[in-house]
Amino acid sequence: QKEVEQDPGPLSVPEGAIVSLNCTYSNSAFQYFMWYRQYSRKGPELLMYTYSSGNKEDGRFTAQVDKSSKYISLFIRDSQPSDSATYLCAMREGGSEKLVFGKGTKLTVNP
Amino acid sequence: DAGITQSPRHKVTETGTPVTLRCHQTENHRYMYWYRQDPGHGLRLIHYSYGVKDTDKGEVSDGYSVSRSKTEDFLLTLESATSSQTSVYFCAISQGLYEQYFGPGTRLTVT
Repeated sequence: QKEVEQDPGPLSVPEGAIVSLNCTYSNSAFQYFMWYRQYSRKGPELLMYTYSSGNKEDGRFTAQVDKSSKYISLFIRDSQPSDSATYLCAMREGGSEKLVFGKGTKLTVNP
Repeated sequence: DAGITQSPRHKVTETGTPVTLRCHQTENHRYMYWYRQDPGHGLRLIHYSYGVKDTDKGEVSDGYSVSRSKTEDFLLTLESATSSQTSVYFCAISQGLYEQYFGPGTRLTVT
């Protein structure tokens, strides 16, 4: 079993839809969770950074962490064509320098 | 891209030749990382540095070496390039054990 599992998609939604992106993980020592957005032929861009369980909201984006289920989610409200990108989840253990990434989910938001 | 530049941005080289990729930061961050990104594998850590002259291996370090003689520069060397090292290479930085910020990437093709 991979440490971090992420459905690669592709996921295609109409503009204005609520998008749910998810990752599951197996390592219970992960404490820090991140979501990155990567546009085609660009570097990953940090979207959300959360510690331990709970929710974090930033504009149209909400990150959720459920450590009991080893499951993290990113919700995008009122999705826009400019949200079309690949979304990567990443996580690390407390005290570790190393991030473990999911393989990414490719999202297309259609006008 | 958080004050990170990578050079060259594109390179085509032949099998067996040495190649050096450069990452330069203007943020004075302590940690620097080299990743490769391949379809079906996502982002994988090659090597990282936690200070000048302090480096350690990641999960796919075979065939790669690194050096960091100044805080701002982290070099990745392929001693003898192989076709399996054709990839997109990303540099990342972080201040402490916090979120990582990525550079724009170097697209390397080994023929």
